[in-house]
Amino acid sequence: EADIYQTPRYLVIGTGKKITLECSQTMGHDKMYWYQQDPGMELHLIHYSYGVNSTEKGDLSSESTVSRIRTEHFPLTLESARPSHTSQYLCASSVGTRYYTFGSGTRLTVV
Amino acid sequence: GENVEQHPSTLSVQEGDSAVIKCTYSDSASNYFPWYKQELGKRPQLIIDIRSNVGEKKDQRIAVTLNKTAKHFSLHITETQPEDSAVYFCAASPAGGTSYGKLTFGQGTILTVHP
Repeated sequence: EADIYQTPRYLVIGTGKKITLECSQTMGHDKMYWYQQDPGMELHLIHYSYGVNSTEKGDLSSESTVSRIRTEHFPLTLESARPSHTSQYLCASSVGTRYYTFGSGTRLTVV
Repeated sequence: GENVEQHPSTLSVQEGDSAVIKCTYSDSASNYFPWYKQELGKRPQLIIDIRSNVGEKKDQRIAVTLNKTAKHFSLHITETQPEDSAVYFCAASPAGGTSYGKLTFGQGTILTVHP
């Protein structure tokens, strides 16, 4: 089924560890995004990509990095996790503003 | 950049009543305004959207209105049901340029419908 998939669904990790959150979509969308969702609900854009080899930082500053080597794959990496990185991370994809679809999210806890 | 303000932050209604959530935006270049519903533990899902060339759009019990001059848009849910209970987000996106496709979200509204 054409959709957007995120793994892992939950992740508990120790401070200082390197982590990669995976995001893949099978819809052929050109644009992909990463949002951070606070415990208080608000969604903040941290990274976006308009196509292969195109990545931009979003409105909320983040210590994470992203890459877009393939159209369908948009992983997010934290080189050294800290407790302040504890949050839910949502990946999304679209065709322009159309067919905007979110993944189910990764809930990250850094202890 | 774009800034979207959403009110109220929480809304409690009785089943069968109407619910209205309002958003204002700052960037006059925005022309696409979607609304998302997020149930507990689930991903945000698009429920309705409107583009700036129309003033109102309706889909069964939900409707969205847009006032481009005042830069505000609203979600209206009629005959509310307990399953409408969720967090609702408004968002805005420009028509083109370097920010095309980027959604700026409002802060969210927790809607609770009491049976």
